[in-house]
Amino acid sequence: AQSVTQPDIHITVSEGASLELRCNYSYGATPYLFWYVQSPGQGLQLLLKYFSGDTLVQGIKGFEAEFKRSQSSFNLRKPSVHWSDAAEYFCAALSGAGSYQLTFGKGTKLSVIP
Amino acid sequence: GAGVSQSPSNKVTEKGKDVELRCDPISGHTALYWYRQRLGQGLEFLIYFQGNSAPDKSGLPSDRFSAERTGESVSTLTIQRTQQEDSAVYLCASSWDRALNTEAFFGQGTRLTVV
Repeated sequence: AQSVTQPDIHITVSEGASLELRCNYSYGATPYLFWYVQSPGQGLQLLLKYFSGDTLVQGIKGFEAEFKRSQSSFNLRKPSVHWSDAAEYFCAALSGAGSYQLTFGKGTKLSVIP
Repeated sequence: GAGVSQSPSNKVTEKGKDVELRCDPISGHTALYWYRQRLGQGLEFLIYFQGNSAPDKSGLPSDRFSAERTGESVSTLTIQRTQQEDSAVYLCASSWDRALNTEAFFGQGTRLTVV
């Protein structure tokens, strides 16, 4: 079955430190991949997406993600975390063109220590 | 409006009661989605509307769940005879269409608590 896995339920980092959130997918073919952020009491906001081409994708708020086919991964990174980045992050996937059912991982909650 | 609007933001209901959740999509968006987010879980797809096409209801967990949408306007998600396991945040999203170069915009959700 198609699935998206986020191995880390909760991560705590110090402000200014670098961040990497892991995401692995299990699909028959390379899916389209997304990262969303959900701040407390807010809806989901799209950070970035990967369809094809350059495997390093730049997003909003200084985030980037790298697609690695060999590892079936799409990890989210940020070189220097700000306190306002504290939120829950969801990786999601679409099985391909014409698909509309986003499959989400269970999320990683990020806490930032001042 | 400027974004996807959902109401109510919070709903507490007694077990066995019916509830109706509302979603106002972004004007002009033809696609509308409902997702459920249970505590500690990712988002589960419930239903998808695209214009006047028949909706994809494959994600609805039971026949107690139903949803309607008139044209490209407001959608309502109805849960009949609510159960405690229905407690969750219900998120609505809309987009221009299902083409992948469009972004789905999410509302803030309705937090449903069944007591």
